[in-house]
Amino acid sequence: AQTVTQSQPEMSVQEAETVTLSCTYDTSESNYYLFWYKQPPSRQMILVIRQEAYKQQNATENRFSVNFQKAAKSFSLKISDSQLGDTAMYFCAFMAGNTPLVFGKGTRLSVIA
Amino acid sequence: EAGVAQSPRYKIIEKRQSVAFWCNPISGHATLYWYQQILGQGPKLLIQFQNNGVVDDSQLPKDRFSAERLKGVDSTLKIQPAKLEDSAVYLCASSGLELEQFFGPGTRLTVL
Repeated sequence: AQTVTQSQPEMSVQEAETVTLSCTYDTSESNYYLFWYKQPPSRQMILVIRQEAYKQQNATENRFSVNFQKAAKSFSLKISDSQLGDTAMYFCAFMAGNTPLVFGKGTRLSVIA
Repeated sequence: EAGVAQSPRYKIIEKRQSVAFWCNPISGHATLYWYQQILGQGPKLLIQFQNNGVVDDSQLPKDRFSAERLKGVDSTLKIQPAKLEDSAVYLCASSGLELEQFFGPGTRLTVL
């Protein structure tokens, strides 16, 4: 079974600074997808960024980028120029083939003015 | 386009009562998911539908939980009878041809 581990329950960052959220996963699959989801206090979960395992290039979406290390089974999220609106729970998630999304326990990020 | 709609947003019930949640996915999305998110944890899949057929319900406590998607559009999730440990946020999500799942705002259930 696939597992996703987020080892940082809470993190904080000053506005305009950069923060990195960690995620590791365990799988025997060779083809899979990794996701970072954001869940603000209003609780609507939205997709931040995704990475296909077969792609060597790290995904980037504006201020959000990932560091995907396939051999190490690591998938960290970097948020640059942090903004107050980035305050939220961040969930790392894994999916292989038709299997359901498996989520980590989340990291609560607070951006401090 | 309209997002995933869920109702009610909040529900408080006594244990052993029954409760039902409703979800309307994004128009055209064939796949619909129900997740349970207990406080402090990530969402856990309860059931996945493809159109009106069940794809995965391996983690659904079938002795008390049931779900249906009769016409392949709206879905309802029911708990009967509820237990204290069912207190959670119930999230509905849908997806189309792309992998991305779009989530609704959730229903926060409190069982007293």
